[in-house]
Amino acid sequence: GQQLNQSPQSMFIQEGEDVSMNCTSSSIFNTWLWYKQDPGEGPVLLIALYKAGELTSNGRLTAQFGITRKDSFLNISASIPSDVGIYFCAGYYNQGGKLIFGQGTELSVKP
Amino acid sequence: GAVVSQHPSWVICKSGTSVKIECRSLDFQATTMFWYRQFPKQSLMLMATSNEGSKATYEQGVEKDKFLINHASLTLSTLTVTSAHPEDSSFYICSARGGVGTDTQYFGPGTRLTVL
Repeated sequence: GQQLNQSPQSMFIQEGEDVSMNCTSSSIFNTWLWYKQDPGEGPVLLIALYKAGELTSNGRLTAQFGITRKDSFLNISASIPSDVGIYFCAGYYNQGGKLIFGQGTELSVKP
Repeated sequence: GAVVSQHPSWVICKSGTSVKIECRSLDFQATTMFWYRQFPKQSLMLMATSNEGSKATYEQGVEKDKFLINHASLTLSTLTVTSAHPEDSSFYICSARGGVGTDTQYFGPGTRLTVL
């Protein structure tokens, strides 16, 4: 089936550092979504991308829909301790289809 | 963003009993709702997709008689775990999506099920 490869699997960074994670797919996607999940909670939508090349920001977060439509990245600038959690990329390769998830990136921030 | 609620947030039950989990979209009409299961340190695993007023579509390997799904209205879906066993213990998360052309999925806060 369709798969998303998300990397890195985990990151340990110092507070204040910038973070970058990305997802690639073997197929063309028409929507990319980035979620954050805290322990014991459901995923919370951070950014939604609908067009190739689209670059969208949400506070310190920036995500881009790759021009090839097969990849997306999420950047977090000036990380803070509350950024800790698991970040998932997800996307659709056809409208109304199943949401495909990446494996997640576990972020740890050292104060 | 849109709000999806789940109830209960956690439940402990004895083996052999049935447990019902509710999922509600609070501020939009969800034509499609999804139920996921998540094991520790893993991604979400889709169990089934339900459209309002019709039977749910289950993913391969998910027993439809064990995980009963009802999507009776545009704002409510329920998942009933029947005759629960310890191996059914998991984190169950629902998700809701709006009408045609709306691809964004919003997730509930999850329900932690522990079967003794």
